[in-house]
Amino acid sequence: KQEVTQIPAALSVPEGENLVLNCSFTDSAIYNLQWFRQDPGKGLTSLLLIQSSQREQTSGRLNASLDKSSGRSTLYIAASQPGDSATYLCAAIGTAGNKLTFGGGTRVLVKP
Amino acid sequence: NAGVTQTPKFQVLKTGQSMTLQCAQDMNHNSMYWYRQDPGMGLRLIYYSASEGTTDKGEVPNGYNVSRLNKREFSLRLESAAPSQTSVYFCATRAGARETQYFGPGTRLLVL
Repeated sequence: KQEVTQIPAALSVPEGENLVLNCSFTDSAIYNLQWFRQDPGKGLTSLLLIQSSQREQTSGRLNASLDKSSGRSTLYIAASQPGDSATYLCAAIGTAGNKLTFGGGTRVLVKP
Repeated sequence: NAGVTQTPKFQVLKTGQSMTLQCAQDMNHNSMYWYRQDPGMGLRLIYYSASEGTTDKGEVPNGYNVSRLNKREFSLRLESAAPSQTSVYFCATRAGARETQYFGPGTRLLVL
């Protein structure tokens, strides 16, 4: 059974610092891995989707890497802003392609 | 283009009452999902539908039933609500296994 872990559960940084968010998964036989952002009281918004054949994916200030052999993905957010404050979740998609297994999320606070 | 919509936004039930949570999408996606999100437990898959006419159990299906009414709509029914079903329920859709998953805004359910 796939298990996805995100450590730390919470993170606080001053504005302008780079953010590094970690995601680890136990079963390396994944189809792809997705990073989401969730604002308080809201649904999830997709940030990046990394296919299993890819090593990384980039969108603006966001970069996500994937290392299947070690069971890890990392989300980098460059030059953090207070608007980046949110909870970030990763999800691993199994090889059947249908089921996502979510990590518990990392709650990020960027202080002005 | 509304994306994924959920009704109601908030509901209070008494133990033993029944209700149906509605989800609709206008993105012409094949797959639809129901999740629940609880503090400390993350997002857990209740049921999913890979395509119109099919449904499958997820991680926590007990106490729930689903109906994939057509390609657009996927409903979740609680036949006899219990306090343990107090949660935030999210519907999600996806075009295919290699595609991004899109979430609705959620339904907050309180069972007294």
